[in-house]
Parts: sequence; C-alpha cells; structure tokens
Amino acid sequence: DTGVSQNPRHKITKRGQNVTFRCDPISEHNRLYWYRQTLGQGPEFLTYFQNEAQLEKSRLLSDRFSAERPKGSFSTLEIQRTEQGDSAMYLCASSLTGFNNLGEQYFGPGTRLTVT
Amino acid sequence: GNSVTQMEGPVTLSEEAFLTINCTYTATGYPSLFWYVQYPGEGLQLLLKATKADDKGSNKGFEATYRKETTSFHLEKGSVQVSDSAVYFCALSNTGNQFYFGTGTSLTVIP
Repeated sequence: DTGVSQNPRHKITKRGQNVTFRCDPISEHNRLYWYRQTLGQGPEFLTYFQNEAQLEKSRLLSDRFSAERPKGSFSTLEIQRTEQGDSAMYLCASSLTGFNNLGEQYFGPGTRLTVT
Repeated sequence: GNSVTQMEGPVTLSEEAFLTINCTYTATGYPSLFWYVQYPGEGLQLLLKATKADDKGSNKGFEATYRKETTSFHLEKGSVQVSDSAVYFCALSNTGNQFYFGTGTSLTVIP
C-alpha cells in the first residue's frame, strides 16, 4: 500500500463554481478524516467517517460543504458555490481505530484549492 | 473547549544544538497528545504521542512528556540535524473523533 492519496493535487476554480476532491485512504483503515489548512495555521478538523458513516462534523463546516464515503473506502469532499475564503489546503487522513484505541492518523499530501 | 498553543517560529538552530518547542493545551477531560512533523513537500507524519499524564513519547531522538499539572507537552531533542528541518505541529484529541492542532513551528537547522 502506498499510503493515503488525494486527487487532484491542485485545483483552481472561479468563485461560484462547485469543486469535488477525492481521498483514497489506506485500504484497511476504518476511519477517514477531512481537514482544512490555511497558510501559517495548523490543520482544522472538518469531518470524519467511521466506515461509511459520517459521525461528526465541525460547526465550522458550512452547508456548502458535503462529504461522502459511500462504501467505506474512498471519500469525496464537495464544495458548492465556492468563495475566495475557501482557498486552502484540504487534507485527508485515515486510521485504523477500534474501541478505546486511538489509531495513528496517516495523512495524504493534500489538495490545494485556489478560488479566483 | 479544546485548543493547543504552540511556540511561535520560525526557529533556526545550528546542527547539534538542543531543541525545545513549547506546547501547552486546554482540554476537557484527559486528552491524548501528539507531535506531528511535516517535512518539505510531504504530508504530516506522526512523530510521537502520549496518552496519559506523565507518559513520555519518544521517536527519532525526539521526546515529549505529558505534564498534566502544567498542561504542557514540550518537544525536545538533544542534538538536531539538518534533516530535522521541518514544521512541527502539536495536537490533542479527547476521543479520537476530533483532533485539535496548533499553528505549527517551523524549524531550520543549519550546518
């Protein structure tokens, strides 16, 4: 396994357009996380999945953001009607986590979004 | 609420110097604490972790001790190398559901 992959690596879009990013986690990992990172800041939690169930979403995640993990494998993050403030690096991480077991998160390289 | 405060950078050290990067946290309950590292052009990697008070996490010569009384998890290394140049992030998680990261500290080690 080559680790967590994300596509595309870079995306430039015009304000108002919709964009979708994909994350392929490490195959046996049951948890998948999405983060947003802006310049000079640490990753900011957006949402996470346990298998195909989306269990938690940040209060910062607006209605324009939606994430899916349809078969408990890859995940997509869609942003509708993009705004310039959405420009950031979007990171995906996966882990193998059980009850009372905090699995190590493995991060992908990220998708850099620029909204013009 | 939960938050992490990290020492501001950037930090520049000469090779073989001693490194300390300060991290303090605010949390409800008893969080697990982490240090992640991001090398240039790469994704974040877990460097070390500690899951309860007084635990010491260690890896690649780096160490950090979970200090509940001072709510701190400072990262230390006795002798840094050029290859340690990276951005270091302190993080916490209460449940493994949400992770809270600091703003990161950039370290440059010069020969």
